[in-house]
Amino acid sequence: LAKTTQPISMDSYEGQEVNITCSHNNIATNDYITWYQQFPSQGPRFIIQGYKTKVTNEVASLFIPADRKSSTLSLPRVSLSDTAVYYCLVGALNAGNNRKLIWGLGTSLAVNP
Amino acid sequence: DGGITQSPKYLFRKEGQNVTLSCEQNLNHDAMYWYRQDPGQGLRLIYYSQIVNDFQKGDIAEGYSVSREKKESFPLTVTSAQKNPTAFYLCASRAQVSGGSNTQYFGPGTRLTVL
Repeated sequence: LAKTTQPISMDSYEGQEVNITCSHNNIATNDYITWYQQFPSQGPRFIIQGYKTKVTNEVASLFIPADRKSSTLSLPRVSLSDTAVYYCLVGALNAGNNRKLIWGLGTSLAVNP
Repeated sequence: DGGITQSPKYLFRKEGQNVTLSCEQNLNHDAMYWYRQDPGQGLRLIYYSQIVNDFQKGDIAEGYSVSREKKESFPLTVTSAQKNPTAFYLCASRAQVSGGSNTQYFGPGTRLTVL
């Protein structure tokens, strides 16, 4: 099963771009890379998902190199409300498939004024 | 307003008592999941169900039981056999899409404290 490794914590300031890199050396062919955001005492919230190259949505971008052994979540111009824990997940949950997502410890991002 | 609801938000129980956590979704999702999260940790899978009347054990199923009688509902019972039940419990659901990306959507969680 795929395992992810990401920094335990990061600090930033309002208005800066934040990049959180996750390594997943044993990613499988069918695995997607998904990022979630979690605030204290709340359920994780889906941010972005990708398979290869670059994906962008209204809140973030996800960069995935050709070998897919790592990925980088990019948060443009963070604000105080982006202070949260960010989880990188690798895996696939297809019907009839017993593969599952393995949740790591996440990256605790602190955005300072 | 579609989504996943969990109740109650906070739950206290005495040692030796069973307790049932509720999870309801109106997203018409086929698959539902129960996770446990301990302080400073990631999520660990307890049980999951891919279809009504069927469910599978996750990584830490001992001391827990579930049922899936309706598509919308996936209640979790924490039994007295669970050695360390105090934790944050999260329910999630997912549309069953074969061969595609599979995003899980989470409820707000239930914090269970055993006194």
